[in-house]
Amino acid sequence: DGGITQSPKYLFRKEGQNVTLSCEQNLNHDAMYWYRQDPGQGLRLIYYSQIVNDFQKGDIAEGYSVSREKKESFPLTVTSAQKNPTAFYLCASSMLGQGDTEAFFGQGTRLTVV
Amino acid sequence: DAKTTQPNSMESNEEEPVHLPCNHSTISGTDYIHWYRQLPSQGPEYVIHGLTSNVNNRMASLAIAEDRKSSTLILHRATLRDAAVYYCILIDRNTGFQKLVFGTGTRLLVSP
Repeated sequence: DGGITQSPKYLFRKEGQNVTLSCEQNLNHDAMYWYRQDPGQGLRLIYYSQIVNDFQKGDIAEGYSVSREKKESFPLTVTSAQKNPTAFYLCASSMLGQGDTEAFFGQGTRLTVV
Repeated sequence: DAKTTQPNSMESNEEEPVHLPCNHSTISGTDYIHWYRQLPSQGPEYVIHGLTSNVNNRMASLAIAEDRKSSTLILHRATLRDAAVYYCILIDRNTGFQKLVFGTGTRLLVSP
């Protein structure tokens, strides 16, 4: 079945550590996105990419880094520079279009700093 | 980025129709209107989208105002499984490709 997979579902990090969240899709989508969601809040865009080896900062990119070495994969690294990393992280993908294509979301990774 | 405004929450009874409004007064002529919904602890799922004309699919209907400054998502018969946060989103194509920008959404409560 085609879809988008995030792993792990739950992740615990000690302060000062970098962690990498995985996002893989087999939908042959060109565009991929990372969002952060805090409790009771909407989604905020961290990074997005429309093509391999290219990505753009979203609204809250500070303290995060990404790579897009393969079309299927868009991992997100939460660095020690991110002051408040505890949140629900969502990855999405979509075809490139003129605004008329739907995005598919993973089930999310819940990151907790301990 | 064009913005959307939605009520924070709405309530409905099971098997009744639900009309979820969205205002987008700064929409550009070529922005599509998309709706997604998010169940607790899950990723959002696509519901419907449209440009100018009203749209129907198996999940819902989308009614778009003639001036496109507002739209309404219609759930014809609400079920308990429809309880979720509903997001109205305008696709920002000013960056050269579609960029999904979410607002705070409307939390729909459905009572039996």
